[in-house]
Amino acid sequence: EPEVTQTPSHQVTQMGQEVILRCVPISNHLYFYWYRQILGQKVEFLVSFYNNEISEKSEIFDDQFSVERPDGSNFTLKIRSTKLEDSAMYFCASSWRNEQFFGPGTRLTVL
Amino acid sequence: AQSVSQHNHHVILSEAASLELGCNYSYGGTVNLFWYVQYPGQHLQLLLKYFSGDPLVKGIKGFEAEFIKSKFSFNLRKPSVQWSDTAEYFCAVTDRGGNKLVFGAGTILRVKS
Repeated sequence: EPEVTQTPSHQVTQMGQEVILRCVPISNHLYFYWYRQILGQKVEFLVSFYNNEISEKSEIFDDQFSVERPDGSNFTLKIRSTKLEDSAMYFCASSWRNEQFFGPGTRLTVL
Repeated sequence: AQSVSQHNHHVILSEAASLELGCNYSYGGTVNLFWYVQYPGQHLQLLLKYFSGDPLVKGIKGFEAEFIKSKFSFNLRKPSVQWSDTAEYFCAVTDRGGNKLVFGAGTILRVKS
């Protein structure tokens, strides 16, 4: 059964550094998403992406964040200058007929 | 803005006990409703969903949920839990026009064998 995959599973970075989180959505899906979950808090929507552009973004998704689909398979989330409060689990999802399928997540730790 | 409330943060049950996890949402329009489960060390998986039609929906692993529009609720049930149901359960909603999921805080279920 096809799955959403994410790499790396764990990323440790220094504050102020750029990170890129990678996702490979399910191949025939058209909508892609990033969510995050800070430890002990709710899963929060960051951004949705359709037809090579952002379709919706949350207040969290400020100028430090960007998304890209650089080729036909990858979907990336870039954080330009990480802050301590960016430490969280980041989930990628893709959807088909209003059902979202999630990847295993990348745990980002900012020191 | 939409919000989702899950009433219990931690639930501990013995095997074979019945389960009901509460979920209420705030959005007054037409919604799609979901329950996701996250087993320890695994990713979010869809348990069941409601888009329209019969308000009692059945999902995987013997779970079901009932949509009660007048109460803005979508409670999850299972008549007899197993140790393997130990996991965190998330209720989520999207409005019909949008595609972002709004999640509840999650309920951690521990089933004692």
